[in-house]
Amino acid sequence: KAGVTQTPRYLIKTRGQQVTLSCSPISGHRSVSWYQQTPGQGLQFLFEYFSETQRNKGNFPGRFSGRQFSNSRSEMNVSTLELGDSALYLCASSSDWTGLSSYEQYFGPGTRLTVT
Amino acid sequence: DQQVKQNSPSLSVQEGRISILNCDYTNSMFDYFLWYKKYPAEGPTFLISISSIKDKNEDGRFTVFLNKSAKHLSLHIVPSQPGDSAVYFCAAVILIQGAQKLVFGQGTRLTINP
Repeated sequence: KAGVTQTPRYLIKTRGQQVTLSCSPISGHRSVSWYQQTPGQGLQFLFEYFSETQRNKGNFPGRFSGRQFSNSRSEMNVSTLELGDSALYLCASSSDWTGLSSYEQYFGPGTRLTVT
Repeated sequence: DQQVKQNSPSLSVQEGRISILNCDYTNSMFDYFLWYKKYPAEGPTFLISISSIKDKNEDGRFTVFLNKSAKHLSLHIVPSQPGDSAVYFCAAVILIQGAQKLVFGQGTRLTINP
């Protein structure tokens, strides 16, 4: 089974621009979560999508948004980029909410975003 | 408000010895805990988990201990191997309106010295 894929792997943007990141989950997984990783902060939860609906949201400003398509692929968008948005953005997928195995999320390699 | 804390940003251990990584949490509603391992340029990979109804779970060289009264969990790796050098994240699961949410700690960088 192919793992979680994220594109692009690296991105450089300037302040004020907007960016869209893409995530393809493991086949059969319907839940996709997004995280931001910065040094010293660990992984900060952005949002989670299940069956094209946002089920959960972290404490990030409205500039951060996402969506999920019918094939479970997901995108996240950041508008009006700020220097502090420079981070590794990770996507994770998990199976349906049945049993303990659904707690285990499988991560992609991440997209390294640098804002200059 | 950091609900899951890993107070040691780094840990260095001699090969063959035991590595102990610690994690504290504040929310008693967490009902499942996981440890993830992360190498540079890769996403975190699941290592081991424990339900809140248990106090110990073992998988090969890895054992996770949970002390609910102290709101503390730890990961023991024995014997430690050079390939264990990575950043380790503990995470806690909470159910919010039927949806699971993972809350991660800041991570601990483990270095195994030969």
